[in-house]
Amino acid sequence: AQSVTQLDSHVSVSEGTPVLLRCNYSSSYSPSLFWYVQHPNKGLQLLLKYTSAATLVKGINGFEAEFKKSETSFHLTKPSAHMSDAAEYFCALNSGNTPLVFGKGTRLSVIA
Amino acid sequence: SAVISQKPSRDICQRGTSLTIQCQVDSQVTMMFWYRQQPGQSLTLIATANQGSEATYESGFVIDKFPISRPNLTFSTLTVSNMSPEDSSIYLCSVEVGMGGNQPQHFGDGTRLSIL
Repeated sequence: AQSVTQLDSHVSVSEGTPVLLRCNYSSSYSPSLFWYVQHPNKGLQLLLKYTSAATLVKGINGFEAEFKKSETSFHLTKPSAHMSDAAEYFCALNSGNTPLVFGKGTRLSVIA
Repeated sequence: SAVISQKPSRDICQRGTSLTIQCQVDSQVTMMFWYRQQPGQSLTLIATANQGSEATYESGFVIDKFPISRPNLTFSTLTVSNMSPEDSSIYLCSVEVGMGGNQPQHFGDGTRLSIL
């Protein structure tokens, strides 16, 4: 069975400080992992994806994530938060051609 | 990637009525997906729609409540039938882009549905 756990429902950071959004997964097969962002009144936008190539994945808007098989983690980071980063972030997984499974989401607040 | 357009973007409906949501993609895709996102929640897959075959529904979703059409490789519709306040949600369509399995999905902006 596949599952995704986002460890924090809400993260608050100050503008200019680092962002860490945590995601752990469970999968019977080698997974593909994704991070999506959802701004208010918008759909989901793909930030980055891991599909068994390099374990450190760079995405859009300065975000990156590192796949750690030993820790079954795929945490999302950004060195310096911007006000425009405030949004809901979803970690997602698929493997073995199963449907995409989403975590419950983490709301990121950025304080000026 | 793909550009996905959904219509309507939002609607307010009376209970007992039905609403059809349209999803148009700017390129031909094999698989299209319909999701529901209840207020403050994550996404739940309703069904997968492949052109030329019946949609495949996930547990807890039935064709009578959520009929889906997929007439060609660029278009799909989802109907929410006999609506009740519990159906108030965001409904999103997505497509899988790329060759091989486990490719990322790209999403439309969603349809925000409120039932009175």
